[in-house]
Amino acid sequence: EPEVTQTPSHQVTQMGQEVILRCVPISNHLYFYWYRQILGQKVEFLVSFYNNEISEKSEIFDDQFSVERPDGSNFTLKIRSTKLEDSAMYFCASSPTRDIGNTIYFGEGSWLTVV
Amino acid sequence: QKEVEQNSGPLSVPEGAIASLNCTYSDRGSQSFFWYRQYSGKSPELIMFIYSNGDKEDGRFTAQLNKASQYVSLLIRDSQPSDSATYLCAVGHYNQGGKLIFGQGTELSVKP
Repeated sequence: EPEVTQTPSHQVTQMGQEVILRCVPISNHLYFYWYRQILGQKVEFLVSFYNNEISEKSEIFDDQFSVERPDGSNFTLKIRSTKLEDSAMYFCASSPTRDIGNTIYFGEGSWLTVV
Repeated sequence: QKEVEQNSGPLSVPEGAIASLNCTYSDRGSQSFFWYRQYSGKSPELIMFIYSNGDKEDGRFTAQLNKASQYVSLLIRDSQPSDSATYLCAVGHYNQGGKLIFGQGTELSVKP
């Protein structure tokens, strides 16, 4: 069964360092997303991406964050200068459409620890 | 602020019983409603979605939606210990496709 794959599964980084999280969405999907979940808290929407541009972004997704689809398969989330509060599980997701009833499939997540 | 509220639990039921999970949402314009299951340290796994008032059944799972009351629920029949997980309610708008607003999740424990 097709799945969203993410790398790395776990990354530890120093505060202030740049981090890139990578994702390979399901191949025939057109819409891509990043969500995050701080330990013990809700899953939160960060950004959605379609046709090589951001469709929507949340208040969390400030200038420190950026997304890119550098080739036909990868979708990346970059955090420019990490803060302690960026420590979270980051989930990439994809969906085939945006229609009502659209189903969104999540990757296994990348655990980011900022020290 | 669009909110999705769930009882955080834990909800404990004996094996074979019906587990009932509830969710309310604040945005009347919400159009699609999802239930995800999340095991500790894992990603959300879609169980089912519903967007019309009424019931939708899939195997042991039934989702119920009442838009007038802004209420959605998930029933799990014949609960199994493997159903023990956190159940996430998520709400979305099709014209904001992908922007799901999640509830805090309800922790379900099924005791053998």
